[in-house]
Amino acid sequence: SAVISQKPSRDICQRGTSLTIQCQVDSQVTMMFWYRQQPGQSLTLIATANQGSEATYESGFVIDKFPISRPNLTFSTLTVSNMSPEDSSIYLCSVSPANYGYTFGSGTRLTVV
Amino acid sequence: EDKVVQSPLSLVVHEGDTVTLNCSYEVTNFRSLLWYKQEKKAPTFLFMLTSSGIEKKSGRLSSILDKKELFSILNITATQTGDSAIYLCAWGPSGNTPLVFGKGTRLSVIA
Repeated sequence: SAVISQKPSRDICQRGTSLTIQCQVDSQVTMMFWYRQQPGQSLTLIATANQGSEATYESGFVIDKFPISRPNLTFSTLTVSNMSPEDSSIYLCSVSPANYGYTFGSGTRLTVV
Repeated sequence: EDKVVQSPLSLVVHEGDTVTLNCSYEVTNFRSLLWYKQEKKAPTFLFMLTSSGIEKKSGRLSSILDKKELFSILNITATQTGDSAIYLCAWGPSGNTPLVFGKGTRLSVIA
């Protein structure tokens, strides 16, 4: 299965600032998925990132708030913009390079103060 | 709307107990159902089920899928405190589509 390196592992940020989360995969994958997990909640899909095209966002998530880059088949970034305390969550990237073998990055724990 | 429903949402047991976690689904285009264990941040893979009636086992954990009744169960026997975690059930339509997660079951095993 694929191995994903996700950075940073955690961060504490001031409200109004932005944080960019990176995911590097050890193999080429078509799709990368970004999830958010708010405290006490399950994983919610933010968007799907396909290399060479705009990311597809789920209802309730917009590009201005969560811009995503996907410059090649092994890398993606998610930016959390103009942060507020409500953005405090775990953010996870995920891939499925070999039919149904979903792998997750190690996660980013974001705290906004 | 596709959905995955887990029950119970939380559970407290004593070490040595056996627990059964439930996952029902109402989805279109079923391909696979997956179970994950989440202790800190990243979910770790437990099982992927695609065929009905075939039990998958890994140590004290086992899981089975019933495609007729649209549910799966995850069993943990002889529970240990290290089994304390959130157990997530997810539906996977295909490799190029994201997983859809249930709300999870928070299991607490006390000594």
